Amino acid sequence: QKEVEQDPGPLSVPEGAIVSLNCTYSNSAFQYFMWYRQYSRKGPELLMYTYSSGNKEDGRFTAQVDKSSKYISLFIRDSQPSDSATYLCAMWGGGTSYGKLTFGQGTILTVHP
Amino acid sequence: IAGITQAPTSQILAAGRRMTLRCTQDMRHNAMYWYRQDLGLGLRLIHYSNTAGTTGKGEVPDGYSVSRANTDDFPLTLASAVPSQTSVYFCASSDLPRGAADTQYFGPGTRLTVL
Repeated sequence: QKEVEQDPGPLSVPEGAIVSLNCTYSNSAFQYFMWYRQYSRKGPELLMYTYSSGNKEDGRFTAQVDKSSKYISLFIRDSQPSDSATYLCAMWGGGTSYGKLTFGQGTILTVHP
Repeated sequence: IAGITQAPTSQILAAGRRMTLRCTQDMRHNAMYWYRQDLGLGLRLIHYSNTAGTTGKGEVPDGYSVSRANTDDFPLTLASAVPSQTSVYFCASSDLPRGAADTQYFGPGTRLTVL
């Protein structure tokens, strides 16, 4: 079993829809939770990160972490065609595991006009 | 320029050949990483370096080697390429240590096909 599981999709939604992207994980040592966005034929770029449990909002994007359920989510409100990309969750335990991010498989999202 | 550059952009390689993928960053970040990205498997860490002169093995290091002679460059070498090394390779860097999340910045990737 992979440490981080992410539904690869693909997910196709109409413009303006609310999108929910999710990851589950098994390693309780993870403390930092990140979402990366990757456009086609580009490198991933950090979208948001949260520390421990809770919510974080940035514009149309909201990241949620539920450590008790080992479940994280990224919500995109009022989705736009420019949001079409692959979204990767990533996790890190902090401490001596510097730099050793564990990624999910990525979810391919298409927002159609 | 600011960020990470990778070369080549893409390459077709015969099995058994030696290949070095180049990675250069100009952000003076301490740490650098090499990942491979395969469909259905996501990004997997091959090797990393927390500072110049040191390297470490990631999740899938077999068949790959790295060196970190200076802060800016982190080449990845395939000593004798095999078809299973066909993948997209990403170099990344981050500024360690930090009290907050380790934000990694990625290069544009190298598409490698081994025949």
